Amino acid sequence: KAGVTQTPRYLIKTRGQQVTLSCSPISGHRSVSWYQQTPGQGLQFLFEYFSETQRNKGNFPGRFSGRQFSNSRSEMNVSTLELGDSALYLCASSEGGKAKNIQYFGAGTRLSVL
Amino acid sequence: EDQVTQSPEALRLQEGESSSLNCSYTVSGLRGLFWYRQDPGKGPEFLFTLYSAGEEKEKERLKATLTKKESFLHITAPKPEDSATYLCAVHYGGSQGNLIFGKGTKLSVKP
Repeated sequence: KAGVTQTPRYLIKTRGQQVTLSCSPISGHRSVSWYQQTPGQGLQFLFEYFSETQRNKGNFPGRFSGRQFSNSRSEMNVSTLELGDSALYLCASSEGGKAKNIQYFGAGTRLSVL
Repeated sequence: EDQVTQSPEALRLQEGESSSLNCSYTVSGLRGLFWYRQDPGKGPEFLFTLYSAGEEKEKERLKATLTKKESFLHITAPKPEDSATYLCAVHYGGSQGNLIFGKGTKLSVKP
């Protein structure tokens, strides 16, 4: 089975712009979660989608949003980029529906905001 | 406040020198504890999941254990290829979203 695929791998944007990141989960996985990873804060949960519905959301401003499509692929959007948004954005998929399901991560998208 | 603390932040070992990494947590209603390995420039790779105190899991040179307040990742006779950042995550509540990560332990194994 193919793993979790994130595109693009690298992005450079300037302040005020917006960006969209894409995630294709493992085949058969219905849950997709997004995380932000920075050296200072570590991995922080952004949101989780299951069957096209946002099931949970972390403590991030409304500039961060996401969606999931019927094929379970997910996108994350950040509007009005700030310097502090520079980070590695990770997507993880799991079979979903049960608390014990293991999350499998993609390689991430490295976002640099100048 | 729910939190996960990993120690030490960094660990340098000689090849063959066994040691342990610690993950302590304060959450209510633990549903599972996960260990991941992360190499530079890559996403975390799943290693183990533990669900109840007393549980142990092993994989090659790694062994994970769980108590009511902490988990240990024991590394026996490590090799340079074991060098990576090891992340601990705690899941609580009913949704995947309730997953809290520690900041990790960066392990370096010198030949």
